[in-house]
Amino acid sequence: DAKTTQPPSMDCAEGRAANLPCNHSTISGNEYVYWYRQIHSQGPQYIIHGLKNNETNEMASLIITEDRKSSTLILPHATLRDTAVYYCIVIRGGSQGNLIFGKGTKLSVKP
Amino acid sequence: DVKVTQSSRYLVKRTGEKVFLECVQDMDHENMFWYRQDPGLGLRLIYFSYDVKMKEKGDIPEGYSVSREKKERFSLILESASTNQTSMYLCASRGLGLAILNEQFFGPGTRLTVL
Repeated sequence: DAKTTQPPSMDCAEGRAANLPCNHSTISGNEYVYWYRQIHSQGPQYIIHGLKNNETNEMASLIITEDRKSSTLILPHATLRDTAVYYCIVIRGGSQGNLIFGKGTKLSVKP
Repeated sequence: DVKVTQSSRYLVKRTGEKVFLECVQDMDHENMFWYRQDPGLGLRLIYFSYDVKMKEKGDIPEGYSVSREKKERFSLILESASTNQTSMYLCASRGLGLAILNEQFFGPGTRLTVL
């Protein structure tokens, strides 16, 4: 499975959009991009995933570049409760394999 | 909503004790996982199970065993706890099917301290 690179930390003002980047330059054609987050003292929580089209759900939007070598998770109106570590994971579709969580990005939403 | 519950949020045990961590999920998921999470190391997979009575080693199985006698329950066992097993333990479950193949649902975690 392709490796990912994320910045270790980011700040965002409350009410603003938080844009979290992820590089996955070695991604292959059948690999999906998944995003999870982990709020302090809780288990990780699934946010969104995509293959090549942009995706949106009630939590976030996922923008994947045309060459699929990078993606951005967008939280449109960040709140203090969005402060968490965000993990970008790439995994082969149909895989029985397991999610490999890297170090993620620590997002701090400030009032 | 999928619920994954773990038997304890906090646990303190002594070196050499046998420790059982229980995990229960209520969505009839086939796959279940045990991870440990340590500062600077992220989540590491200990064991997983595809189905009842089936188990597979993850990346760091040494010092642990597991049991899956019922579909909804996956137990992690520390046969003889040691101080280097002090950690946050996370259980997760996953259903089959293309749409949710890699969407894992996590429990709240058990913070185990071994003295």
